[in-house]
Amino acid sequence: SQTIHQWPATLVQPVGSPLSLECTVEGTSNPNLYWYRQAAGRGLQLLFYSVGIGQISSEVPQNLSASRPQDRQFILSSKKLLLSDSGFYLCAWSVRGGRTEAFFGQGTRLTVV
Amino acid sequence: AQSVTQLDSHVSVSEGTPVLLRCNYSSSYSPSLFWYVQHPNKGLQLLLKYTSAATLVKGINGFEAEFKKSETSFHLTKPSAHMSDAAEYFCVVTPRDDFNKFYFGSGTKLNVKP
Repeated sequence: SQTIHQWPATLVQPVGSPLSLECTVEGTSNPNLYWYRQAAGRGLQLLFYSVGIGQISSEVPQNLSASRPQDRQFILSSKKLLLSDSGFYLCAWSVRGGRTEAFFGQGTRLTVV
Repeated sequence: AQSVTQLDSHVSVSEGTPVLLRCNYSSSYSPSLFWYVQHPNKGLQLLLKYTSAATLVKGINGFEAEFKKSETSFHLTKPSAHMSDAAEYFCVVTPRDDFNKFYFGSGTKLNVKP
C-alpha cells in the first residue's frame, strides 16, 4: 500500500532562518506531488506541484521554493523565513493522469517567531 | 478557470439531526469532485469522490453527496450527525482538462451540539 511521510510535525523557527520540509511517498511510482499551505482560518492554498523529477510548477509568487530530487521525494525550502510564512503545510500525492483523489500527509505546523 | 465555493464557513447542528454542507463549482469541463475532512492539526482524509460514474456518491461514516451538473453543485449530506463529525470539511475539484491540479474550497467548519 502507498504511504506518505512528512516531517517534522512541528517546527518553530526565527525570522530570517532557513527552512527545509521533506516529504516522501512509498509504494507508488511517478506520482504527482504537491505542497499546500493552510493559514489560520483559511482554506488550502496550492504552493507547488510536480509531475516529475526536477519539474516544479509554482502557483503563487512567494518566499518559498520546492525541489524534487528523486521520484518520490519533494522538498519545500526557504532561504530566509518571514513571519507570514507561518502556517500548516501539507504534502500530497496523486496518480499521474488519473481521475483519482490526492492523498495527504499529516502536515507540519510551522511557527515563525 | 476553475473554482470551488463553499457557501457556509460555519454550520452548527445538534447531534442526531441532518447535516448539509453546500458546495458549488465552476469548471470548463465535467470535473472530478471530492469531499475531504480535517480534524484539528491533522491531515486531510477523503470522505467520498465523484469521477463520472453514479451521480449519488456514498462515502465513509454515513456521508453522501450528489453531483448535479445542471446546478453545478456537489453538496455533502448525512442523515444524522454524530459528535465525532465535528471537523472542517473541504470540497475539492479537479478539472477534466487538468487532472494534475486540485482546487480547494475555503472550508466549512461543522459544529455538533450535544
